[in-house]
Amino acid sequence: NAGVTQTPKFRVLKTGQSMTLLCAQDMNHEYMYWYRQDPGMGLRLIHYSVGEGTTAKGEVPDGYNVSRLKKQNFLLGLESAAPSQTSVYFCASSSGMRAFFGQGTRLTVV
Amino acid sequence: AQKVTQAQTEISVVEKEDVTLDCVYETRDTTYYLFWYKQPPSGELVFLIRRNSFDEQNEISGRYSWNFQKSTSSFNFTITASQVVDSAVYFCALDTSNTGKLIFGQGTTLQVKP
Repeated sequence: NAGVTQTPKFRVLKTGQSMTLLCAQDMNHEYMYWYRQDPGMGLRLIHYSVGEGTTAKGEVPDGYNVSRLKKQNFLLGLESAAPSQTSVYFCASSSGMRAFFGQGTRLTVV
Repeated sequence: AQKVTQAQTEISVVEKEDVTLDCVYETRDTTYYLFWYKQPPSGELVFLIRRNSFDEQNEISGRYSWNFQKSTSSFNFTITASQVVDSAVYFCALDTSNTGKLIFGQGTTLQVKP
C-alpha cells in the first residue's frame, strides 16, 4: 500500500544548486502532478502530466522542469535553485476520480 | 476564470463547539467536482469528500457534514462537536477536468482548544 512516494522528504540547497525530486506511484494512474505549498496561498500547480511521455505547465512553472519517462515516475527538477523556491512540494497522482498525494518534500534554499 | 476562495484564514474554537468552514468557488463549467482535504500538523493531505456538480444533496459523515449550494457557488464544511484532533488546515478544491487537477483555496487553519 505504498500509494505515492516522494523522495527526499527534506532538503537544504544553496542558491544556484540543482536537484531533482522524485515521485513514484504504484496505482497505475495516468495523471500526475507537482504542487507547491506556501503559507497563505494553498497549493499551486507547477507542472502536470496526462500520461507517460507528456508534460504540461501549470500555474507556476518558472524555474522548474519535469519529465515522465515512465508511467509510474514523475520527476521535478530545479536547475538553479533560488530562495523563492523554498516551499513544501507535493506530488499527486490520479485516475480521474480523486488525487492521491505524497507526504511532501520540504525544500529550503539558502 | 476558475477560482476557490476560503475567506477564513484562521478559526479558533473551544472543544465541543460546532464550526463551519466556508468555501466559495468560481467556474463557468457546468460539470465540475469539489473536494475537501485536511492537512494535520504532520503535513500529509487527507481526502475528506468529493462532490460532483450534479449532486446537490448535503452529505453527513459522522461529525462532518457538507452543504453544497450551486445558487451561491458554495461548498461549506461543518464539524459538529469539534475535538482537539480536528485541529488542522482544511483545503477546499475544484476540479473542472475530472483528471484530478485541482485548484485549491488558500486554506483555513482550525484550532480547537481543550
